[in-house]
Amino acid sequence: GAVVSQHPSRVICKSGTSVKIECRSLDFQATTMFWYRQFPKKSLMLMATSNEGSKATYEQGVEKDKFLINHASLTLSTLTVTSAHPEDSSFYICSARDVGRYNSYNEQFFGPGTRLTVL
Amino acid sequence: GQQVMQIPQYQHVQEGEDFTTYCNSSTTLSNIQWYKQRPGGHPVFLIQLVKSGEVKKQKRLTFQFGEAKKNSSLHITATQTTDVGTYFCAATPRDNYGQNFVFGPGTRLSVLP
Repeated sequence: GAVVSQHPSRVICKSGTSVKIECRSLDFQATTMFWYRQFPKKSLMLMATSNEGSKATYEQGVEKDKFLINHASLTLSTLTVTSAHPEDSSFYICSARDVGRYNSYNEQFFGPGTRLTVL
Repeated sequence: GQQVMQIPQYQHVQEGEDFTTYCNSSTTLSNIQWYKQRPGGHPVFLIQLVKSGEVKKQKRLTFQFGEAKKNSSLHITATQTTDVGTYFCAATPRDNYGQNFVFGPGTRLSVLP
C-alpha cells in the first residue's frame, strides 16, 4: 500500500526559531500533498495544498509567510514554520494522493504526523 | 463556506453493541470519505462514497451516502475493542474538483470490554 513518511516525528524548539518538516511519499508519486494541523482531540484543519513545481495554495486565515511550503519533487514536500511561537505548537500531518490512482479514488494517504512544541 | 458536522461527538458503548455516526454537510457533495484515527495515530482511509444513496459494506462496517448527497453515516455492528478511535468524515463539495476536503469534527468511539 501507499506509504507516507514524515520527519521529524517530534520537535521541540525555542520561540523565534524556524522548524522544517518533511513529508515523503515512499512508494508512489504525489503531484499533490496536503498539510493539516490538528489540535488535541480536534479535527484536522487543512492549512494548504502543496503542488509539485508550483506555489502552494493556502486556506483562508493561514499565513503563507509563516508557513512556507515547498514541493520540489513528486515525492517530497516540506513545511517550514518560520519564527515559531508557542501558539504554533500543534500536531502537523501531511497527506498525499497517488497520481496513479487519481482516477479511481481521491484517497489521501496520511503521514504519521509531527508534534511541534515551541517553548 | 462549507460546514461539515458530525454527531455524536463522543460515544461510549459496551463491546458487542452497535454504533452509528452521522455526517452532515451544509452543501451538496461530490463525494465523501471516511477515515479512522486510532489514539496517537494518523487518519487511515476507510472508504469513499460517490453515488447518491450508495451503500457499501466492509465486514461489520456499513457506509451510506444520502440521496441528496448532503449526509452520510457509518454503522458498526457488534463493536469490538479494536474499533476504538475517532471516525472522521471528509467531504468534497460538488463544485470542487476533489482538491480539498473538509473534515468533520469526528466522533470519538470508546468500547468497554
